[in-house]
Amino acid sequence: NAGVTQTPKFQVLKTGQSMTLQCAQDMNHNSMYWYRQDPGMGLRLIYYSASEGTTDKGEVPNGYNVSRLNKREFSLRLESAAPSQTSVYFCASSETPGLSNQPQHFGDGTRLSIL
Amino acid sequence: AQKITQTQPGMFVQEKEAVTLDCTYDTSDPSYGLFWYKQPSSGEMIFLIYQGSYDQQNATEGRYSLNFQKARKSANLVISASQLGDSAMYFCAMREAIDMRFGAGTRLTVKP
Repeated sequence: NAGVTQTPKFQVLKTGQSMTLQCAQDMNHNSMYWYRQDPGMGLRLIYYSASEGTTDKGEVPNGYNVSRLNKREFSLRLESAAPSQTSVYFCASSETPGLSNQPQHFGDGTRLSIL
Repeated sequence: AQKITQTQPGMFVQEKEAVTLDCTYDTSDPSYGLFWYKQPSSGEMIFLIYQGSYDQQNATEGRYSLNFQKARKSANLVISASQLGDSAMYFCAMREAIDMRFGAGTRLTVKP
């Protein structure tokens, strides 16, 4: 019963380094999302993919890129990491885009520190 | 503009008592969904309960119920018979279209 799997769980980077956060879901969901969680601010949407082959910017997309590799996988890339990107990153998925009654199912998060 | 507001940064409740966590929202869309998530100290986000804007009755899921007051744009979470395991962060969220907006959260501590 994996649900949404994120790798890695923890990562420390130096400023300017790049890295890709991986996310995979096994629930055959159409939509996938990347959020960041900062203290006192709840979760903010970075990018989302309503369906395979599409991606769109969310509330805080600057400094990030995404790839919807296939229906299962949605990756988030930091091309040149900055200390302001230190955060906990969550991947989520939901069954159908555009229907307001669909809950999003979350992975366990990736704790990322940029020095 | 802030769409979801949770005004209680922290709440305390005695074990076995009920507690209400507040949430107000702002939208002009007639169709939307309201969600509550629990985040324990281990960090995962756990979906608790959903309320649709057209639902006539308040949602309930076990010990969780949602006090939905549409005219006041509030969707408060009520936890009955609190347990020590209920200690966690609780997030209110609203979905109008594809994305979901979250409040800043309320940290609930259940005292033995």
